[in-house]
Amino acid sequence: KQEVTQIPAALSVPEGENLVLNCSFTDSAIYNLQWFRQDPGKGLTSLLLIQSSQREQTSGRLNASLDKSSGRSTLYIAASQPGDSATYLCAVWYSSASKIIFGSGTRLSIRP
Amino acid sequence: DADVTQTPRNRITKTGKRIMLECSQTKGHDRMYWYRQDPGLGLRLIYYSFDVKDINKGEISDGYSVSRQAQAKFSLSLESAIPNQTALYFCATSDSRGRETQYFGPGTRLLVL
Repeated sequence: KQEVTQIPAALSVPEGENLVLNCSFTDSAIYNLQWFRQDPGKGLTSLLLIQSSQREQTSGRLNASLDKSSGRSTLYIAASQPGDSATYLCAVWYSSASKIIFGSGTRLSIRP
Repeated sequence: DADVTQTPRNRITKTGKRIMLECSQTKGHDRMYWYRQDPGLGLRLIYYSFDVKDINKGEISDGYSVSRQAQAKFSLSLESAIPNQTALYFCATSDSRGRETQYFGPGTRLLVL
């Protein structure tokens, strides 16, 4: 069964710290993997998308990596700020089944 | 202006009623999706459409139907609403000519009594 897991479910860190969010998937035959943030009561905002052939993508203070062989992706956030507080979701798209599976998310809180 | 819009934003209905949720986009994307989000269950794909003449079932299509009226419009219908369809519904789009990043609408909060 294809599953996407995000651990921990919640994380609280002081402002300024660098942090890593984890996403693991059971089937390595992915098409792409996307990281999103969701603010309470709002829609999802795309952060980074990594194609199956890529190892990482960067945007500003964010860096996402992909290791298909181990079934893992990480989202690295540098110099965290209170405005980074949100729920972060990863989603894996499997082209063979035209299926997209979301993780349950990590709720991140940055303490001032 | 928002690129992906959803109407209504909030809806309360009664069991057995038929309702329609609408999604419009100005991004020029060919692919559109409907998801529902439930606490503890994450987002699940209901239906998706890769172009106007293409409709595909997602993970949880039972009890739902869709219509792709134009490239820019994708509607989700609940033929006979039931309480366990109470959820937050999202529409999303992507461009098959690009990296296929998904762009989400603001969501519709549906309560079925």
